[in-house]
Amino acid sequence: DADVTQTPRNRITKTGKRIMLECSQTKGHDRMYWYRQDPGLGLRLIYYSFDVKDINKGEISDGYSVSRQAQAKFSLSLESAIPNQTALYFCATSDPYGGSTDTQYFGPGTRLTVL
Amino acid sequence: GNSVTQMEGPVTLSEEAFLTINCTYTATGYPSLFWYVQYPGEGLQLLLKATKADDKGSNKGFEATYRKETTSFHLEKGSVQVSDSAVYFCALSDRIFKAAGNKLTFGGGTRVLVKP
Repeated sequence: DADVTQTPRNRITKTGKRIMLECSQTKGHDRMYWYRQDPGLGLRLIYYSFDVKDINKGEISDGYSVSRQAQAKFSLSLESAIPNQTALYFCATSDPYGGSTDTQYFGPGTRLTVL
Repeated sequence: GNSVTQMEGPVTLSEEAFLTINCTYTATGYPSLFWYVQYPGEGLQLLLKATKADDKGSNKGFEATYRKETTSFHLEKGSVQVSDSAVYFCALSDRIFKAAGNKLTFGGGTRVLVKP
C-alpha cells in the first residue's frame, strides 16, 4: 500500500463550490505539506504543518485553508473554488529529525478542474 | 528570496543518448539541493540529493554535483532508456529554515522524452 494517499484523484467542480482534498499517510511523519503544480511553474507551497497544533501559510495560501485532523491526516479546502485554482495538487510528508536535508515523500496527486 | 531555474523542455532524446538538464539556483544561507522525478501519472519521488558544496549525488545512473561557485546542480545520465521518460524537478532546501522545517523551492520542471 502507498505510504501517502490522496483522495479524490480527480475532481471536476464548478466556480463557487467548496471543495476538500484529503491526504493520509502511514509513514509516521509529523511534517506534512500541500503543494500545487502548474505547467512551467513547478510546485508551489500552499500550507505546511509541523504537527497537529502547528500550521503555517506557504507562498500561495490565499483562497485555501487546511485542517490537520491527526498526525496522519491533512486536508486542503477551497472555500469558494475559482477557475485559476485548476491545477494538480500534491500532499507530501517529511521526517522532522532529518534536519534541512530530509526527503519529502509525495502522494500521487489530485487533479482538480474548476469550471 | 530563493529561486531555482532549470532548462525548459521538452527534451527529446534517442535511447542510449547522453542527457544533461541544467539547474541553477539563488539562495540565502547554505542550501541542500535535490532532483525529484515525476513519472507519468505519479507523484514526485526523490532521485538524488547533495547537502554541501562539491558533493555528488547519484542514483539509477544519474549524477549531479553541487557547484557553489557557479550555483549549479546539473543532472546528467550517460545512456538514457525509454523508462527515463519523465518530468525532472530541481529543488533546494535552505538551511536557514532548519528550525522551521524543510521547505522546498522547486524549479519549473523539465519534461524528458526518450524514444526507442
